[in-house]
Amino acid sequence: AQSVTQLGSHVSVSEGALVLLRCNYSSSVPPYLFWYVQYPNQGLQLLLKYTSAATLVKGINGFEAEFKKSETSFHLTKPSAHMSDAAEYFCAVRRGDSGGYQKVTFGTGTKLQVIP
Amino acid sequence: DSGVTQTPKHLITATGQRVTLRCSPRSGDLSVYWYQQSLDQGLQFLIHYYNGEERAKGNILERFSAQQFPDLHSELNLSSLELGDSALYFCASSSRGGAPTDTQYFGPGTRLTVL
Repeated sequence: AQSVTQLGSHVSVSEGALVLLRCNYSSSVPPYLFWYVQYPNQGLQLLLKYTSAATLVKGINGFEAEFKKSETSFHLTKPSAHMSDAAEYFCAVRRGDSGGYQKVTFGTGTKLQVIP
Repeated sequence: DSGVTQTPKHLITATGQRVTLRCSPRSGDLSVYWYQQSLDQGLQFLIHYYNGEERAKGNILERFSAQQFPDLHSELNLSSLELGDSALYFCASSSRGGAPTDTQYFGPGTRLTVL
């Protein structure tokens, strides 16, 4: 079984400051990891995904995440927060081995507030 | 806009009733996934269909059922509704059969309120 833990249900940063959203995973096999963003009243949008290639993954809107196996982490960062980054962010994991469909397990989400 | 459409956007109904939620995947996508998002349970995978066939089940209640039609749209049927079924129901689609590298594209969701 796999799981993800997102530390901090709410994070506040000032506009222009570093964004750091934390995600730790647990998986019995090499995982595939994802970050999604959900804006108010909208569905989820994929920001980036790690699928066992480069450990530093660049996504849309200036976000990136680094897969650290030794720390079982996949934290999401952005050097400079913008007001439009205010949203809820979900980390997700699925098994990285082959053999048919493997369900995605989502974290509980982190709401990012950007203060002007 | 992900290209996935869901209807209706909002649905208000009473306990004990039955409702049907509809999802149209992106053009060319063969897989449809259903998710439930609630304050209590977070975002949970319900069921996956690929090209008309059920592929995987998650935390889907027996009162709930789904199907995918030949034109690839999908419907999620919720019956004997309870207050706790109030949630956002998302549909997602992907081009393939759920391989780990598949990207899922989410629709805007249907907000169900059970009174």
